[in-house]
Amino acid sequence: GAGVSQSPSNKVTEKGKDVELRCDPISGHTALYWYRQSLGQGLEFLIYFQGNSAPDKSGLPSDRFSAERTGGSVSTLTIQRTQQEDSAVYLCASSKDRSQPQHFGDGTRLSIL
Amino acid sequence: SQQGEEDPQALSIQEGENATMNCSYKTSINNLQWYRQNSGRGLVHLILIRSNEREKHSGRLRVTLDTSKKSSSLLITASRAADTASYFCATVGNEKLTFGTGTRLTIIP
Repeated sequence: GAGVSQSPSNKVTEKGKDVELRCDPISGHTALYWYRQSLGQGLEFLIYFQGNSAPDKSGLPSDRFSAERTGGSVSTLTIQRTQQEDSAVYLCASSKDRSQPQHFGDGTRLSIL
Repeated sequence: SQQGEEDPQALSIQEGENATMNCSYKTSINNLQWYRQNSGRGLVHLILIRSNEREKHSGRLRVTLDTSKKSSSLLITASRAADTASYFCATVGNEKLTFGTGTRLTIIP
């Protein structure tokens, strides 16, 4: 596709529910990243996928967070038993490799009531 | 901890003036990148400078890198209202790309 696509663009859910966020990276990009951005803050790294290698999960804040990347393309970030502090914008990015510029989607704004 | 720290945190200038933002980092890097983020959007890559480069230009953007001081600056010349955004530096070392906390730039028409 022309760019990184994320869905949904907005998600409002009740505390305790599970949510799935989707990211379609740019075709051919082997690296895929998830970040979290709280209001007016910088980016918090969550997880990184590179090709078929084991993902770097070092940024996931708790075991309620998990992510998959199927077939080296689409990725899903899952948050189980959501808490109010999970409210943030979740950004996905892809790049040709780790050292190359990242291309970002417009994010999913998650609000936990 | 944050690898990149930008300063100032916020900057307001008149349209037409130059804007300078600074970034400091802590460990050795392969390259340093600057990104822009408009409100409600994702980040857009602006410019990449490698560790063996000292200065790079792209249109109205000028980036410098001083590896001895572990710092970089982004200069936007002849600012326009459309330059209003948050600007982030990101460092690439042996580990993951790490973003700073950003500078919020407001251009006053």
